[in-house]
Amino acid sequence: DAKTTQPNSMESNEEEPVHLPCNHSTISGTDYIHWYRQLPSQGPEYVIHGLTSNVNNRMASLAIAEDRKSSTLILHRATLRDAAVYYCILSLHTGNQFYFGTGTSLTVIP
Amino acid sequence: DSGVTQTPKHLITATGQRVTLRCSPRSGDLSVYWYQQSLDQGLQFLIQYYNGEERAKGNILERFSAQQFPDLHSELNLSSLELGDSALYFCASSAVGQYNSPLHFGNGTRLTVT
Repeated sequence: DAKTTQPNSMESNEEEPVHLPCNHSTISGTDYIHWYRQLPSQGPEYVIHGLTSNVNNRMASLAIAEDRKSSTLILHRATLRDAAVYYCILSLHTGNQFYFGTGTSLTVIP
Repeated sequence: DSGVTQTPKHLITATGQRVTLRCSPRSGDLSVYWYQQSLDQGLQFLIQYYNGEERAKGNILERFSAQQFPDLHSELNLSSLELGDSALYFCASSAVGQYNSPLHFGNGTRLTVT
């Protein structure tokens, strides 16, 4: 399985930026980096994905290291609704499987 | 709302029984993925279908099978159920089933085997 490493948990204060790190040292040249989040009692929700360049959308930004061995999901202003488990995933060019690790549980403090 | 519909939401059954979980993908999506989520295993990829054909297989037990029908809905069949099969089962769909195409998940079916 393609491996990603994330901290088990993180905390953030409400309305402050959050940087969620992910290491993926075994990434190959055409593997994509995806982020999903899972709120309690819901299915995972797509957040963002990218290949090499940094990506922005309405939910978050994805910063990808130049060597692509790590990435950071940035929530610009955390809200209480952002409390969730965040998964960093590699989707392999050699197949169509998305392997989820254990993710980072984000707690947002009011 | 992701647009992916899973039924039923909850299912309680006994060991040894067989159940069928159903998934309707987002309108226009051709690919369906099945995942199992249990407390001690996290999200485990089971199987993927694209336009009716099996495309990728993960950690799916021989007691489990799936198919995707011509209208693109999918069913996951679980047989000879064991207590350890109790879990949340998620279906996800994507437009073209490629590795650079995001997945959109349903809210899952919670299976309890007693």
